[in-house]
Formats: sequence, C-alpha cells, structure tokens
Amino acid sequence: QKEVEQNSGPLSVPEGAIASLNCTYSDRGSQSFFWYRQYSGKSPELIMFIYSNGDKEDGRFTAQLNKASQYVSLLIRDSQPSDSATYLCAAHYNFNKFYFGSGTKLNVKP
Amino acid sequence: DGGITQSPKYLFRKEGQNVTLSCEQNLNHDAMYWYRQDPGQGLRLIYYSQIVNDFQKGDIAEGYSVSREKKESFPLTVTSAQKNPTAFYLCASTPGQGYYEQYFGPGTRLTVT
Repeated sequence: QKEVEQNSGPLSVPEGAIASLNCTYSDRGSQSFFWYRQYSGKSPELIMFIYSNGDKEDGRFTAQLNKASQYVSLLIRDSQPSDSATYLCAAHYNFNKFYFGSGTKLNVKP
Repeated sequence: DGGITQSPKYLFRKEGQNVTLSCEQNLNHDAMYWYRQDPGQGLRLIYYSQIVNDFQKGDIAEGYSVSREKKESFPLTVTSAQKNPTAFYLCASTPGQGYYEQYFGPGTRLTVT
C-alpha cells in the first residue's frame, strides 16, 4: 500500500507568519508531488507541484522535496486569514495514479 | 472558459437505486479520474482512464462503474452494490504526455438514505 502521511493539525499560525506543512511518502517510486488547498465544502485547488529535489518558489509559496528522506513540505510566507484551509499532499506514481494524504488543517489567526 | 464541470452539485437518492454522476472537461486532457472523499479524510481513487474506451480500477472500485466513450466525458455510476455511497465525489483530469498536474471539478455531494 502506497501511503502519504500528513499531520492532521490543526496548525495555527498568526497572520504574517510562515506556515510550514509537511508530508512523507512511503514509496520511493513516487515521481512527482503536488500540494492542493481545499476550503470547506469545496474541491481541491492545485497550488504547487514539484518534480525534482530542492526548492520551488511561486509567490508566497515554496515547495521543498527531499527524495532521500521521502519528505515534501510547503511553506506559506506572510500567511493570511484567507489561507485558512485544509492542505492536501499528493504523490504521483506510474500509470497516472495518485495517492493523497488526509490533509493538514491550517488556521491563520488575524 | 476551460475547465471541468460536474453535475449535479447535490444529489439525493434512496437506498437501492443506481445513480450516475456527470463529469465533462474541455481542457483536451487525456486522463480522467474519479475520487471519493469522506469527512476528514483524503481522496480515494475509484477509477481512472488514460484514453478513450479504456479505464482501470482504483483502490475502491467495488460498487462503481464508469465509461469513457468520449475524451471529454467520464461518467460514474454508483450502483446499489456500493455499501456506503454517501460521500463527496470528485472528478479530475491531467493533460497526460508527461504532464501530471491534476485539476478538479467542483464535486458532487451524494446523499443516500
């Protein structure tokens, strides 16, 4: 069974702080990784993807991948109350299959 | 506007009835997927299709069926054999051909009583 693990939270950070979300995966065959934001009652929205070891930055978001440690993270700088949501980590395997973590709930307090 | 549409947004059915959920995309994506999400849980893969007229079972395919007669459409039927059908159903697609970013439709919330 291929697993993607996330701390369910909630993770609470004050407005303007950096939020750090973490994800581990069990199968070294994972090829690429994705972070989704999901507001309550809504569908997931893709915010970042990363295919190679290292960091990838897009605006206030930075995704970090360490394949040796089987670890993916998402940093959100200058967190805003509108960032309050559940963040899902997903790993892509061969033949177009994806496995999702159960998500980390983020609360950004004004 | 390009995107993925799912209908209906909410669906209520009596136990023992089959129901079909619609998913349409105009992104020209090759691959399409169906997931189920239960409260407080992640997404679980029901079925996926990489090309027209071909599809594969995911991790929880029992009690579900799909078809892929057109590239744009991937309907999901929830049959009476599915023991716990009440859930949030999400359709997604990826471009394929080396691009794996997965995009989701707005979802259908199915309630069976």
